[in-house]
Amino acid sequence: NAGVTQTPKFQVLKTGQSMTLQCAQDMNHNSMYWYRQDPGMGLRLIYYSASEGTTDKGEVPNGYNVSRLNKREFSLRLESAAPSQTSVYFCASSEWAGRQPQHFGDGTRLSIL
Amino acid sequence: DAKTTQPNSMESNEEEPVHLPCNHSTISGTDYIHWYRQLPSQGPEYVIHGLTSNVNNRMASLAIAEDRKSSTLILHRATLRDAAVYYCILGNSNSGYALNFGKGTSLLVTP
Repeated sequence: NAGVTQTPKFQVLKTGQSMTLQCAQDMNHNSMYWYRQDPGMGLRLIYYSASEGTTDKGEVPNGYNVSRLNKREFSLRLESAAPSQTSVYFCASSEWAGRQPQHFGDGTRLSIL
Repeated sequence: DAKTTQPNSMESNEEEPVHLPCNHSTISGTDYIHWYRQLPSQGPEYVIHGLTSNVNNRMASLAIAEDRKSSTLILHRATLRDAAVYYCILGNSNSGYALNFGKGTSLLVTP
């Protein structure tokens, strides 16, 4: 079972570069999420999509954009990367928001120099 | 949003039961209590969740206080593989549809 797949697993960028983190789930879930985790910290929500066609800001949305491409895929874009965005990024999905457990990918480790 | 309070760290011996506490005194009637854990270099993993009644699954048990202001995650026999950060999280459809992860409890399991 693939579950939630994130690509790439690792990436190094230079300040000002752009990139898109990809996420896909094969569980037919309606809701998807992007989190970031800084060293020694818990996860913080960047953006989420409660259902296909909708996206909403989370706790730390500045510097990011998202696209819910279809029910399976939810991408996160950094338009102009900054060193403060160095972090581990996790994508998650759930059948519905709130009550259902979320299933997480293995993360993308992003370093911005 | 209702918040949770957990100890920063706990330690247990292998093959002994572990009780991980969580306080959530401002919990609302519609908040579910979720527990996740995160092993080193991995994404969080769902452990268990409940609303009012105690819950059991193959991984753990969740004991919820009658007033719902606290809960306890119970690992019946800790193994070295259970060493992880455990997060107690409240969630409902009115909380932005997302889980508010705090810093969790870092569980150390010693042989």
